[in-house]
Amino acid sequence: GAVVSQHPSWVICKSGTSVKIECRSLDFQATTMFWYRQFPKQSLMLMATSNEGSKATYEQGVEKDKFLINHASLTLSTLTVTSAHPEDSSFYICSAQLALEGYEQYFGPGTRLTVT
Amino acid sequence: DAKTTQPNSMESNEEEPVHLPCNHSTISGTDYIHWYRQLPSQGPEYVIHGLTSNVNNRMASLAIAEDRKSSTLILHRATLRDAAVYYCILGIGSGGGADGLTFGKGTHLIIQP
Repeated sequence: GAVVSQHPSWVICKSGTSVKIECRSLDFQATTMFWYRQFPKQSLMLMATSNEGSKATYEQGVEKDKFLINHASLTLSTLTVTSAHPEDSSFYICSAQLALEGYEQYFGPGTRLTVT
Repeated sequence: DAKTTQPNSMESNEEEPVHLPCNHSTISGTDYIHWYRQLPSQGPEYVIHGLTSNVNNRMASLAIAEDRKSSTLILHRATLRDAAVYYCILGIGSGGGADGLTFGKGTHLIIQP
């Protein structure tokens, strides 16, 4: 159980275009989902916390108008990278939280974004 | 956020036990100790978590010091598939809010055949 999927697994887009990444919890409902970004040879960095039915909370330094997050249902959160630039190229990973003791998170397989 | 300290890398032989240490001297009373691992080009995978008592699951064991200022993740019999970066993370447990995880640099575990 506790499977999280992401779509697409990789995407290449041109500079200036927008890209939407989906994150789904397949076998459980997640009131909270998180979005992380990981640059090559670096650790994951939390971008934002997404709560179902409410606005996302962004970490300091993350532009909310550039990284649009929508958490419309208990099983789906989307991240849209607007007006993408080459510096946005990264590995984007979502996670969904089980509200059990310890609040363990289950991560998606990640989406590799390359902006040309 | 309370911080954790882990060795940058460790090496072990296949089919031998592996002990991955983590120091967290500023841990608070409500912090759970979580371990995740990440294989190359994949999302992190939950391994185990605990609060005060030692914990066992099908993947690993977690030994927590009595003062909770350190812990050790134990892989009882390492396989080549256990080669990954292992992250020790402190997180808010039950009774607290839901927070994103703060990943440090982790320990790069190398398994020799």
